[in-house]
Amino acid sequence: DAGVIQSPRHEVTEMGQEVTLRCKPISGHNSLFWYRQTMMRGLELLIYFNNNVPIDDSGMPEDRFSAKMPNASFSTLKIQPSEPRDSAVYFCASSPQGQLNQPQHFGDGTRLSIL
Amino acid sequence: GDSVTQMEGPVTLSEEACLTINCTYTATGYPSLFWYVQYPGEGLQLLLKATKADDKGSNKGFEATYRKETTSFHLEKGSVQVSDSAVYFCALKPPGNNDMRFGAGTRLTVKP
Repeated sequence: DAGVIQSPRHEVTEMGQEVTLRCKPISGHNSLFWYRQTMMRGLELLIYFNNNVPIDDSGMPEDRFSAKMPNASFSTLKIQPSEPRDSAVYFCASSPQGQLNQPQHFGDGTRLSIL
Repeated sequence: GDSVTQMEGPVTLSEEACLTINCTYTATGYPSLFWYVQYPGEGLQLLLKATKADDKGSNKGFEATYRKETTSFHLEKGSVQVSDSAVYFCALKPPGNNDMRFGAGTRLTVKP
């Protein structure tokens, strides 16, 4: 079975540019999570969706960050404009909602570098 | 709020040494508990889990027991290998919630 698929795996861009990260959750999973991982701050939950609806976006750092889930099989995390301090690894994870003992399944992440 | 606290690293061991990484939790009710492992350049992978008190999760020689009386879920392995070098995360899923709370991670390096 395919796991959580993220693209791109690596992104290098100049500050001020728009960055879009993509995620395809595991089929049948209706909860989706976006995380950011840095050495300084560890793993941070940015936002999560249940059934395509954002439930908790309190972790989104600023208005420059936005996330959408237009359908059950696709989500995007967008940064506009990007800044060097946004450099991090961004992970997407999914889990089946309503099965409270089930773990989250993580993608391999997008390593983002803002110059 | 619900949270986990895990042993700060880094931890460096010689091959075949015993490993314990401590994890304690704070939660109302009975959360589910998990250990994840992250190898370099990869995402987090589920290592093991336990969903109720006294449950023991095990996988790849690793074990952790859900201890309600001490609110702990320590990760143990009797004999580590170089290939176990990774970052280990303790996590909990509060009852009635769909999100997870992760610890800060503990980096383990095993030397030949």
